Order: sequence, then structure tokens, then C-alpha cells
Amino acid sequence: SYELTQPPSVSVSPGQTARITCSGDALAKQYAYWYQLKPGQAPVLVIYKDSERPSGIPERFSGSSSGTTVTLTVSGVQAADEADYYCQSADSSGTYVFGTGTKVTVL
Amino acid sequence: EVQLVQSGAEVKKPGESLKISCKGSGYSFTSYWIGWVRQMPGKGLEWMGIIYPGDSDTRYSPSFQGQVTISADKSISTAYLQWSSLKASDTAMYYCARPGRYCSGTSCYTDGYFAYWGQGTLVTVSS
Repeated sequence: SYELTQPPSVSVSPGQTARITCSGDALAKQYAYWYQLKPGQAPVLVIYKDSERPSGIPERFSGSSSGTTVTLTVSGVQAADEADYYCQSADSSGTYVFGTGTKVTVL
Repeated sequence: EVQLVQSGAEVKKPGESLKISCKGSGYSFTSYWIGWVRQMPGKGLEWMGIIYPGDSDTRYSPSFQGQVTISADKSISTAYLQWSSLKASDTAMYYCARPGRYCSGTSCYTDGYFAYWGQGTLVTVSS
């Protein structure tokens, strides 16, 4: 198995930009995906294949990749964006792994 | 519309057995993998394993191999997660989730992410 490491927390003021990193050797070869998780709700996919945004996800969510690190960027953060965010990847054998998770606090 | 509907919350004692379910609808149940994800209280998401209901091919995370059993009954479009002897540390929210799929030409491939999620089943194990 492999690991994906995220910072435990990120704090940002409304209207500012939040950047959440996810690091792991597997990311050099595999896509990363990002989920938003709010209390009492199922996870919501916000970015797939490193930088693609599913329909219905606001444009302020974007993703990028460089080597073994991927980054989720939330521009113009709103109070509604306060949540836990998880990166996730998968290998060709059908093994999935989630990152350690980042709590985004909107100040 | 793709839906995954999970069974309700459970309260069990240590040592008891349990089987929770996840019923898929709105798609061909036998053509897509379906996985299970754990979230312990205050902790992160953990991938537990995945099953292909079409042929019951099952993969487990090393962390969960031997600890749980994943199965599926394709006749009723339902996947299961079961424990033979629960521990207090099994207290968690459990989600079922289905990856997406894309096709290129005549071949189709499983996406590396979970496109659809169940609502979660809270399992509490306490004496």
C-alpha cells in the first residue's frame, strides 16, 4: 500500500485563497481526486483526474499537479467551503487510498 | 439516477456479528465495482475494500484483510460488509461507494474515484 499526506489544517479568511497539498510517490503516476466532507453528509467529489471539475462544482475549486504533489485550490473562499478535504488515488490493481485529510477553517 | 441506499444505524455489543448492506439502483449492478469506506469518530476516510458483483472478485486493503468480509448478492443488487466478532474499535461510519466508468471504443474502464456514495451506516459497538 502507499500513503498520501496532507496538512492537518488550513485556515483562511473569507474571500481569500485556500491551498491544500497532497503528497505521495504514487501521484507521479496516478491521478488524484479530491472530496469535500461535511458533518453528517456523504463525501462530495470536487476534483477528478488532478484538475477536472465535476458538473455542479463551483469554478472556485481547481486542482493542479506537479511531480508527487497535487494541490486543491479554493479561490474566493466562502463560509460554505468550511469542511474536511481528502485527496484520493488508485493504482492499476484496483487498490484505493485516501489522504490523511485537511480541515479547512474559514475565519 | 444512480442511488446507493445503505441499511440503518446499528448498536451492537463486542463479540457480536453484524452485516450491513448497500443496495444499488439506477445502473447495471453487476457491471460496476462497489467499495466500502470507513470513517472512525474524528478520523479520516479509509478505503476498506471493493467487490465486483458480476463475478464476486474482491480486493481488500491490507489494513482490513481478515477483519471484515465484503460480499454481494447480484440477484437483489446489494453489497454487504460483515463482521464475525465486533470490537469497540469498529465503531465508525461506514460508506459504500461506486467508482465511475469510462469507455473508449469497445472497452470500458473503471475510474479511479468514487462517483457515487451511500448515505452512510453508523455502527456503534459498546458494552
